[in-house]
Amino acid sequence: AQKVTQAQTEISVVEKEDVTLDCVYETRDTTYYLFWYKQPPSGELVFLIRRNSFDEQNEISGRYSWNFQKSTSSFNFTITASQVVDSAVYFCALSEANYGGSQGNLIFGKGTKLSVKP
Amino acid sequence: GAGVSQSPRYKVAKRGQDVALRCDPISGHVSLFWYQQALGQGPEFLTYFQNEAQLDKSGLPSDRFFAERPEGSVSTLKIQRTQQEDSAVYLCASSTLQGAGTDTQYFGPGTRLTVL
Repeated sequence: AQKVTQAQTEISVVEKEDVTLDCVYETRDTTYYLFWYKQPPSGELVFLIRRNSFDEQNEISGRYSWNFQKSTSSFNFTITASQVVDSAVYFCALSEANYGGSQGNLIFGKGTKLSVKP
Repeated sequence: GAGVSQSPRYKVAKRGQDVALRCDPISGHVSLFWYQQALGQGPEFLTYFQNEAQLDKSGLPSDRFFAERPEGSVSTLKIQRTQQEDSAVYLCASSTLQGAGTDTQYFGPGTRLTVL
């Protein structure tokens, strides 16, 4: 069965601190996709990153970086030098490969609420 | 270009009323998903359309929930005889369909439904 666990319910940091959001997933498929979305107070889910299971290379985008480790089934997200605007709920999600031309739906974790204080 | 839009943004219904929630996907996106997000939880899958065909409705919680996408673009999620447990944010997402692989889903702002 597919499952995504975000063990950290809430994290509070002071501006300019680095923060890592943990994500652990479960799947029986060898081909799958992992995502991170940001949900600010406005409510809209904003796409951050998509990785497939064959690409374990870590990725950096500005202050954001992602560490994908298949050996521990983890896909952690680090924000460097956090800013107040980073305050939001962050969701990790999993989707298995589509077969027969259809799309796989997303399985979300429960989210981690990040508060960055000035 | 325009993103996914949803209307209304907020809906208050009395228990037992029927409601209809609308989703306008990104133009040209073949795939359309509906999710339900309860307070403090992650979104949960309801149903999936590829063009006008509803290929997966395994997440619909009861037969009071019905979704359609008759012309392969705009979709409507209908909830009949609403109950208090239906109170949630209903999110719509769309994506392209480019062969094998799961394409990125882009979400709308959601409709917050409150059932009194």
